[in-house]
Amino acid sequence: RKEVEQDPGPFNVPEGATVAFNCTYSNSASQSFFWYRQDCRKEPKLLMSVYSSGNEDGRFTAQLNRASQYISLLIRDSKLSDSATYLCVVNGDTGFQKLVFGTGTRLLVSP
Amino acid sequence: NAGVTQTPKFQVLKTGQSMTLQCAQDMNHEYMSWYRQDPGMGLRLIHYSVGAGITDQGEVPNGYNVSRSTTEDFPLRLLSAAPSQTSVYFCASSYPSRGGDSSYEQYFGPGTRLTVT
Repeated sequence: RKEVEQDPGPFNVPEGATVAFNCTYSNSASQSFFWYRQDCRKEPKLLMSVYSSGNEDGRFTAQLNRASQYISLLIRDSKLSDSATYLCVVNGDTGFQKLVFGTGTRLLVSP
Repeated sequence: NAGVTQTPKFQVLKTGQSMTLQCAQDMNHEYMSWYRQDPGMGLRLIHYSVGAGITDQGEVPNGYNVSRSTTEDFPLRLLSAAPSQTSVYFCASSYPSRGGDSSYEQYFGPGTRLTVT
């Protein structure tokens, strides 16, 4: 079983739609959780950290469910510019930021 | 601030050749890492460093060496290139994480696309 699993997609949605991605992780000792965004042939960039209490940043909402070991990302009012691959990232339990990356979920927003 | 810079952007090697991928950051970050990204695999940690003079292995260290003589630079050396090392290589840096809900962002360089024939 992969440490971090994501649906690869692609998720094809029209502009203005709401879309949600889930990600499951296997290491119950994981401490930190993130969503990174990666545009085609570019480097990953932090979209948002995922806090235990959940957090929101504009149109983006992230939730963490430790009991079920999954995190989610909700994007409201999708824009064309949201088209990208979204990487679920989990920090392992071995101190240094040995981040474990999911393979990513591809989102395509169409006019 | 240039952030994290990587050179070269592209490289083609023949099997058995060696080379060094360069990575530098100007943010005074203590932590630096090297990842490779392959289709369907996600990014995988090759080597990392928690400060000058300190390095350690990640998930896929075989065939690669690193050193960290300064805070700014963290080069990755391929000792004898193999076709299995064809990949996109990303260098990243960050401040030390406090863990839990308070972890610091990793900043990635633009990547080096390496092909080994």
